[in-house]
Amino acid sequence: TQLLEQSPQFLSIQEGENLTVYCNSSSVFSSLQWYRQEPGEGPVLLVTVVTGGEVKKLKRLTFQFGDARKDSSLHITAAQPGDTGLYLCAGARGSNYKLTFGKGTLLTVNP
Amino acid sequence: NAGVTQTPKFRVLKTGQSMTLLCAQDMNHEYMYWYRQDPGMGLRLIHYSVGEGTTAKGEVPDGYNVSRLKKQNFLLGLESAAPSQTSVYFCASRKGGSEEKLFFGSGTQLSVL
Repeated sequence: TQLLEQSPQFLSIQEGENLTVYCNSSSVFSSLQWYRQEPGEGPVLLVTVVTGGEVKKLKRLTFQFGDARKDSSLHITAAQPGDTGLYLCAGARGSNYKLTFGKGTLLTVNP
Repeated sequence: NAGVTQTPKFRVLKTGQSMTLLCAQDMNHEYMYWYRQDPGMGLRLIHYSVGEGTTAKGEVPDGYNVSRLKKQNFLLGLESAAPSQTSVYFCASRKGGSEEKLFFGSGTQLSVL
């Protein structure tokens, strides 16, 4: 059972376009993280959201945690080729912090 | 600081062979994790450790064993490799307490023929 559903699975856009990636679950998480992974490397944390309704901005990236803490979105404004990568959301539950990862969204930004 | 270092980076095994993947972190982190990443499956937790001398099962532990004899090292063992264990393996560590950030190694690509 996949607890975290990410959509879309693949996304190919032109430089300058905006995009939104979604992460949905029927479960409640204590916090949710977004990672970016480049080929041949491990995931790198972008942001952690903890409070329902929370919005965090990281330059051109905007992250939102749903009010019920079951879903999240990542919005990129004016995408650049350097944004290309696999975006993973991960939900945390429990004191041992076992993260459940979504399958990821593979983003390609074409120049 | 090197962060999280995984060795080896690549390995090819024959079915039935055994091997150990090494993960080392120099950040004095309490928590360490082993994940596998497969196409279309995302990252799945194999085993984890909440401190030196402790280990626990994750989501997909069958066919793997782990040990955390020293705080900085977390070993993942395959006693009898199977083709289903062909995957990219990632180690991660976390400081613990309220610190939520996971630091990942660069992965080990394992092929079992």
